[in-house]
Amino acid sequence: LAKTTQPISMDSYEGQEVNITCSHNNIATNDYITWYQQFPSQGPRFIIQGYKTKVTNEVASLFIPADRKSSTLSLPRVSLSDTAVYYCLVGDQRDYKLSFGAGTTVTVRA
Amino acid sequence: DAGVTQSPTHLIKTRGQQVTLRCSPKSGHDTVSWYQQALGQGPQFIFQYYEEEERQRGNFPDRFSGHQFPNYSSELNVNALLLGDSALYLCASSPTEVQQETQYFGPGTRLLVL
Repeated sequence: LAKTTQPISMDSYEGQEVNITCSHNNIATNDYITWYQQFPSQGPRFIIQGYKTKVTNEVASLFIPADRKSSTLSLPRVSLSDTAVYYCLVGDQRDYKLSFGAGTTVTVRA
Repeated sequence: DAGVTQSPTHLIKTRGQQVTLRCSPKSGHDTVSWYQQALGQGPQFIFQYYEEEERQRGNFPDRFSGHQFPNYSSELNVNALLLGDSALYLCASSPTEVQQETQYFGPGTRLLVL
């Protein structure tokens, strides 16, 4: 499984854009990149998934360069309720398990 | 439509005891996975059940066992509890036709072993 590296924590203010970069240098051809969000005392929640280039949904955007060795999750105009831990996962969709790292704790301040 | 539900929400046990945690998957989901999340860490995969069989297992000892029932609900059993088993135990469900990386998690059961 491709190992991921992401910052331990990030601080932001309401209304700003937050970008979290995840490194996955040994990503395999069949691997997808997926991001989950977790609030305290809750289970993780799927945010977005992509394979290459850019993916956008109502919550976030995911930017993946051509070499796929990194990816950036972009949260537009964050609010206090976006304070959470964000996990970057890389894996083959044929693998049944999800492999979480330590994640990035994002703190949004007023 | 109820999402993934887990019971109990909290549990306190002592070393050496046994515990059973329960999970009901989201409606329409037939695959259940269990994860252990220690404080300050990401969830770690324990095992996954599909068609009442254990389909894949993570690096957990045999003290951790599970079961899936015909209605797709599942139980996680931990025997001979250790202090290190204190954690949040998460259940996740998914339908077989959906990509495996989009799993729906329950709120978890917080287990404290004294």
